[in-house]
Amino acid sequence: DAGITQSPRHKVTETGTPVTLRCHQTENHRYMYWYRQDPGHGLRLIHYSYGVKDTDKGEVSDGYSVSRSKTEDFLLTLESATSSQTSVYFCAISGQGNTGELFFGEGSRLTVL
Amino acid sequence: DQQVKQNSPSLSVQEGRISILNCDYTNSMFDYFLWYKKYPAEGPTFLISISSIKDKNEDGRFTVFLNKSAKHLSLHIVPSQPGDSAVYFCAAPSTGANSKLTFGKGITLSVRP
Repeated sequence: DAGITQSPRHKVTETGTPVTLRCHQTENHRYMYWYRQDPGHGLRLIHYSYGVKDTDKGEVSDGYSVSRSKTEDFLLTLESATSSQTSVYFCAISGQGNTGELFFGEGSRLTVL
Repeated sequence: DQQVKQNSPSLSVQEGRISILNCDYTNSMFDYFLWYKKYPAEGPTFLISISSIKDKNEDGRFTVFLNKSAKHLSLHIVPSQPGDSAVYFCAAPSTGANSKLTFGKGITLSVRP
């Protein structure tokens, strides 16, 4: 299994509070991604990174920011959580940018009350 | 505008029978396609892929067929087993050096014993 860990795995928070989810990899892969999974929507890309300090937006990036200060860590931040951000968040990594095979973490379930 | 579409949200089949999961796409520039499988409380895992220059790829009980003229692909599972019960996502990578995977909404497969 690819070495990906997400933390926290479960979190309940209140509307308006900041939340940071962490993705840590031990594979030294260049590419890292944050997806969210919601019923009826499948997996949607929030942000991704193609190197240290190199990030870009995905299709549902509003309300989220990311940072990647070192290869192994990719942080997803909700500056002010809203109920619409209640979701399961998956981090994924890839060694190659254009072949598509991603390795996913186990997910972080976030509930915003 | 969803570029990868899985229009049937669920499928139920009898153990031992064939499962056929369908996927349609709109972007004729996709170079290849992937299927991911996801169990509850776990991250998605790569199952099988197919290049756009092929019309079939087989791996054990899993075969993916690609019909480029119809912009349609399908995943066949023969014979289906209860352990195949999961959500299946069709996906395709965007073009470019830092491509991202676009996923369909997923199909929940239930294999009845």
